[in-house]
Amino acid sequence: DADVTQTPRNRITKTGKRIMLECSQTKGHDRMYWYRQDPGLGLRLIYYSFDVKDINKGEISDGYSVSRQAQAKFSLSLESAIPNQTALYFCATSDGVIYNEQFFGPGTRLTVL
Amino acid sequence: ILNVEQSPQSLHVQEGDSTNFTCSFPSSNFYALHWYRWETAKSPEALFVMTLNGDEKKKGRISATLNTKEGYSYLYIKGSQPEDSATYLCAFGGTSYGKLTFGQGTILTVHP
Repeated sequence: DADVTQTPRNRITKTGKRIMLECSQTKGHDRMYWYRQDPGLGLRLIYYSFDVKDINKGEISDGYSVSRQAQAKFSLSLESAIPNQTALYFCATSDGVIYNEQFFGPGTRLTVL
Repeated sequence: ILNVEQSPQSLHVQEGDSTNFTCSFPSSNFYALHWYRWETAKSPEALFVMTLNGDEKKKGRISATLNTKEGYSYLYIKGSQPEDSATYLCAFGGTSYGKLTFGQGTILTVHP
């Protein structure tokens, strides 16, 4: 079984809809991250969390919110989706030991029409 | 926002060619430089973590060097194979605070 899972893997939604992307991990890591990937732009950090009570904005948090329900679960919400949020979204985890090496989930491809 | 640049953006080589690409990052407040390999439809996977100026890492035909004073790292692939086709990402860790800043990636295509 995968250590970091993301659901759904693919999602098509309409402008204005609320959508939640979920991430779960069995690695026992405290640190969790949400990134989006756009062609030619690499991975950009949306939000990160170092424990259940610690949530931090990344470089592109506008239009997104997160919830850390438990050590193993970190959800990303788009309150009112817009077309330029169409992207590939990755969740990642880290135990902070090996210089913050991060372990990635399989990604969620989101299309906003 | 930290500036982490990778070049070239894409590269096409023939099987058996050796190739290299570059990651440039801020030369101040360096903590670690990561290289990841990302194959299509898969998750990015860690290749190397580099932490000291002059570091050299090697895994099979892939190796990397690090110059923290001038702010760059090179990734080398010797004798490229089609299975090396992937996007190679570098990520700069500027503090011990746990964030990484990724470059835009180099897309490598190895033609048989």
